[in-house]
Amino acid sequence: GENVEQHPSTLSVQEGDSAVIKCTYSDSASNYFPWYKQELGKRPQLIIDIRSNVGEKKDQRIAVTLNKTAKHFSLHITETQPEDSAVYFCAAGSSNTGKLIFGQGTTLQVKP
Amino acid sequence: GAVVSQHPSWVICKSGTSVKIECRSLDFQATTMFWYRQFPKQSLMLMATSNEGSKATYEQGVEKDKFLINHASLTLSTLTVTSAHPEDSSFYICSAGGTSGRSDEQYFGPGTRLTVT
Repeated sequence: GENVEQHPSTLSVQEGDSAVIKCTYSDSASNYFPWYKQELGKRPQLIIDIRSNVGEKKDQRIAVTLNKTAKHFSLHITETQPEDSAVYFCAAGSSNTGKLIFGQGTTLQVKP
Repeated sequence: GAVVSQHPSWVICKSGTSVKIECRSLDFQATTMFWYRQFPKQSLMLMATSNEGSKATYEQGVEKDKFLINHASLTLSTLTVTSAHPEDSSFYICSAGGTSGRSDEQYFGPGTRLTVT
């Protein structure tokens, strides 16, 4: 079945450094790749997404890259700040079904 | 726009009782809604896909007789946990399908914390 693998499970960086989270997916029909930030006890918040017709997308300090051939996509956060600390989830979806399959999550800690 | 609410935000119930959770799209009509379960420090696991006016599609391993889903209108889907047991204690989150012509986007509700004693 569909599967999304996410690494690392935990990531600790110094404030100002960059953070990179990587995901791989199995379903070749996936064409939508959102990233969510979730704080404890709250709903996932969409921070950026990318569709299969582009290879890279950037929004201020956040960027996402997609390699459809290798079925890899990554989240890059530059100039990290303590308020970036949270759990980040990648997901892979298909516009045919609308379903999203989530990765296992990455707990990011940004140390001041 | 694209606001999704859930009610209740938290609930405590006794083993053997049933609990209903409501998911509403407040400012748009959602043909499709999704129900997820999230255990502490774990990922969101899709339980079922709910389409307005038809039966829900359950993911493998999810008991449809235990987790009853109803999507009677374009703005409301309900999840009923029947004969709840302590192992059903979890964070239940719904989401509603995209509204701007993009069928892949999902908008999440705030979640419902269920504790079964």
